[in-house]
Amino acid sequence: AQSVTQLDSQVPVFEEAPVELRCNYSSSVSVYLFWYVQYPNQGLQLLLKYLSGSTLVKGINGFEAEFNKSQTSFHLRKPSVHISDTAEYFCAVRMNSGYSTLTFGKGTMLLVSP
Amino acid sequence: EPEVTQTPSHQVTQMGQEVILRCVPISNHLYFYWYRQILGQKVEFLVSFYNNEISEKSEIFDDQFSVERPDGSNFTLKIRSTKLEDSAMYFCASSGQGINTGELFFGEGSRLTVL
Repeated sequence: AQSVTQLDSQVPVFEEAPVELRCNYSSSVSVYLFWYVQYPNQGLQLLLKYLSGSTLVKGINGFEAEFNKSQTSFHLRKPSVHISDTAEYFCAVRMNSGYSTLTFGKGTMLLVSP
Repeated sequence: EPEVTQTPSHQVTQMGQEVILRCVPISNHLYFYWYRQILGQKVEFLVSFYNNEISEKSEIFDDQFSVERPDGSNFTLKIRSTKLEDSAMYFCASSGQGINTGELFFGEGSRLTVL
């Protein structure tokens, strides 16, 4: 079985500042990794995913994440945030062999203020 | 852009009542899922559905829950006799690629409040 830990429940940041949302996972097998975003009163939208290849993955809205196998991490970063990035961010993991469900972390609320 | 749609967006019900949450997955998708999120907690897997049968279900998905694809477009989650602890946001999702790599497309959720 796999699990996901998002260490920060809430991250406040000022507009145009950089941000990093942390995600660590635990799995006995190789995994695929995802970041989803949930804007207020909306569903879950895929930001980016790591399946294989380059460990640095670029997603929508200027976000990127780096897969670090040795540290079992998949932290999400953005060099300069906007007010509109205020949302809940969920890290998720899935085994890469056989059928597997998507396991979510508890989420990190990113609060961007002017 | 195709999207997963869910109805109702919010339902309030009395404990012990039956509830049906409806979902219309993306039309050419083959795999369907229900997840739920209790307020303040993580998004949890309930059940997956493929080829008109349940592929996998979690411990949460007990005998009070059932899923159905009654026609070519709808995918429903039924809770037979709701409990207070069933209050949550329920998300439907679908995917069309191989299940190991395909992105799950989520609906906007149905908020269930059990009184």
